[in-house]
Amino acid sequence: SQTIHQWPATLVQPVGSPLSLECTVEGTSNPNLYWYRQAAGRGLQLLFYSVGIGQISSEVPQNLSASRPQDRQFILSSKKLLLSDSGFYLCAWGKGGGKETQYFGPGTRLLVL
Amino acid sequence: AQSVSQHNHHVILSEAASLELGCNYSYGGTVNLFWYVQYPGQHLQLLLKYFSGDPLVKGIKGFEAEFIKSKFSFNLRKPSVQWSDTAEYFCAVWGGAGNMLTFGGGTRLMVKP
Repeated sequence: SQTIHQWPATLVQPVGSPLSLECTVEGTSNPNLYWYRQAAGRGLQLLFYSVGIGQISSEVPQNLSASRPQDRQFILSSKKLLLSDSGFYLCAWGKGGGKETQYFGPGTRLLVL
Repeated sequence: AQSVSQHNHHVILSEAASLELGCNYSYGGTVNLFWYVQYPGQHLQLLLKYFSGDPLVKGIKGFEAEFIKSKFSFNLRKPSVQWSDTAEYFCAVWGGAGNMLTFGGGTRLMVKP
């Protein structure tokens, strides 16, 4: 069966510091991968998605970037964190196609101070 | 762009009461519809989904949802809620320009024992 991992689970970082959040998927190959940010009362906002190694699409321009160095690895990064980057970040995977279901990881709670 | 509305932000029910959570979307073309649930401290989990066929969809834990195309709605129902149904519920719709999954703002359900 497929599993999705995210780490760290919780992170407290100072403003201006770099960020690296990691997501890995097991039990499937060539998945679509997604980064979302969850804000209270506003559901999930899609940040980035990837349909293959090295292929990244950005949905919302901001202080973050994403990379996919391996088939089942998806990384969310920032060179300099802002206070507004605080939030709950979720990674998800799907098999693609017109009837894709997305499955979510446990999330990372980021607090920027 | 696709938009998804969940009009009830907070719902409080007593055990054994019936539940209906509203979900409306804006895109008039072909859509795939999902309900996800996030129990306290747990992953976002798939509750049920609709791609095509019978518009009444049954999911896990006694939940069901009905797709009414003419009303652009996909409301979630459960005849008798339990304390363990306390969670946040998200409606999501795939379709429209860009073919992305768009989430509603979520509904927090509290079931009193």
